[in-house]
Amino acid sequence: GQNIDQPTEMTATEGAIVQINCTYQTSGFNGLFWYQQHAGEAPTFLSYNVLDGLEEKGRFSSFLSRSKGYSYLLLKELQMKDSASYLCAPRGYNKLIFGAGTRLAVHP
Amino acid sequence: EAGVTQFPSHSVIEKGQTVTLRCDPISGHDNLYWYRRVMGKEIKFLLHFVKESKQDESGMPNNRFLAERTGGTYSTLKVQPAELEDSGVYFCASRRGEGANEKLFFGSGTQLSVL
Repeated sequence: GQNIDQPTEMTATEGAIVQINCTYQTSGFNGLFWYQQHAGEAPTFLSYNVLDGLEEKGRFSSFLSRSKGYSYLLLKELQMKDSASYLCAPRGYNKLIFGAGTRLAVHP
Repeated sequence: EAGVTQFPSHSVIEKGQTVTLRCDPISGHDNLYWYRRVMGKEIKFLLHFVKESKQDESGMPNNRFLAERTGGTYSTLKVQPAELEDSGVYFCASRRGEGANEKLFFGSGTQLSVL
């Protein structure tokens, strides 16, 4: 079967670091994407991992462990504009599979 | 470069009516996907076009949903007749090629409310 698990909601303070975890089970695996979605807007691409390890891109980093079916998104130096939903999306044979996402609220 | 555009942004219809959603992918993107998000739940895959052909329609809920992509450019998703449980946000996404690392570009979605 296919299953994506992420925390439903998280809160953090401006300037802090937050880690959003994701565990997944998919039929076939061709990498894992993270998307950010602000309310009422289109999901936008953040990162892609296909090999185990950490990919760093500015304030955002993403980690993957294929053997554990586990990924996390690390957000550093949080800003108010980072308040959004974060979607973990492993890629199956030819499509992305999404969970319900994690709603992150950043407060002053 | 224009992004993925969807029309309308919102639609409110009564149960039993018909609604047609439209998606214009990024020019040159052969792959077009439809997804749906029912409130509070995950974004669920509906179907995938490669050019004008349906590659995978395993996520289509039932035969009240009809998707087309004539000419391999824009796509339409028709719901006929609409039911209450069809309410949600319908997202369209496109990508250029088949590479595993090719990201999807999403539209802003159509918020469908069936009353």
